[in-house]
Amino acid sequence: NAGVTQTPKFQVLKTGQSMTLQCAQDMNHEYMSWYRQDPGMGLRLIHYSVGAGITDQGEVPNGYNVSRSTTEDFPLRLLSAAPSQTSVYFCASRRQGARGQYFGAGTRLSVL
Amino acid sequence: AQKITQTQPGMFVQEKEAVTLDCTYDTSDPSYGLFWYKQPSSGEMIFLIYQGSYDQQNATEGRYSLNFQKARKSANLVISASQLGDSAMYFCAMSATNAGGTSYGKLTFGQGTILTVHP
Repeated sequence: NAGVTQTPKFQVLKTGQSMTLQCAQDMNHEYMSWYRQDPGMGLRLIHYSVGAGITDQGEVPNGYNVSRSTTEDFPLRLLSAAPSQTSVYFCASRRQGARGQYFGAGTRLSVL
Repeated sequence: AQKITQTQPGMFVQEKEAVTLDCTYDTSDPSYGLFWYKQPSSGEMIFLIYQGSYDQQNATEGRYSLNFQKARKSANLVISASQLGDSAMYFCAMSATNAGGTSYGKLTFGQGTILTVHP
């Protein structure tokens, strides 16, 4: 039981490049979310999903796309990376009815 | 819209003493849940405690308790008998819930409080 797995752990991109941050959970959780953490600002919700095929925007969705084709996976796509997207990204999952969310270890992204 | 305010950027406490981390919130949702998370220097987010807006009693989880004052819109975390391993960043968060108290999973976080426990 690996919990929530995020890959890669670290990534450096050049402005304009695209990439996908991977998130997978093996707990059969219905809810999955992506957050970004910037210094002094806490975590902010980017996108979330309440089940396979269902996604919605969070507080800061611009520049990011998501899809949820399976219960297990919830990838986050950066279409054209910008320096403002330099941040630590966390994926989280939760079973419907549970209270706490399980967080992945995070992906530290730098956009030059 | 929801807003969480943590006014203490940093707090210090002596080992074995209790400490209170402040959290105030604002929301228009009739039903909501309040959460506290711990983030050690290693970076992972650890769920500590949850309080539903309609819960009659304050939540407790081991050495953690949540001092919930609904009229004041505050949800302070109390850590009793502090340990060196409690040194970390602590985040208060909230989420709208349905009438049954089930969170929708969309968390709004505060800016966090760095707690340092001195030996």
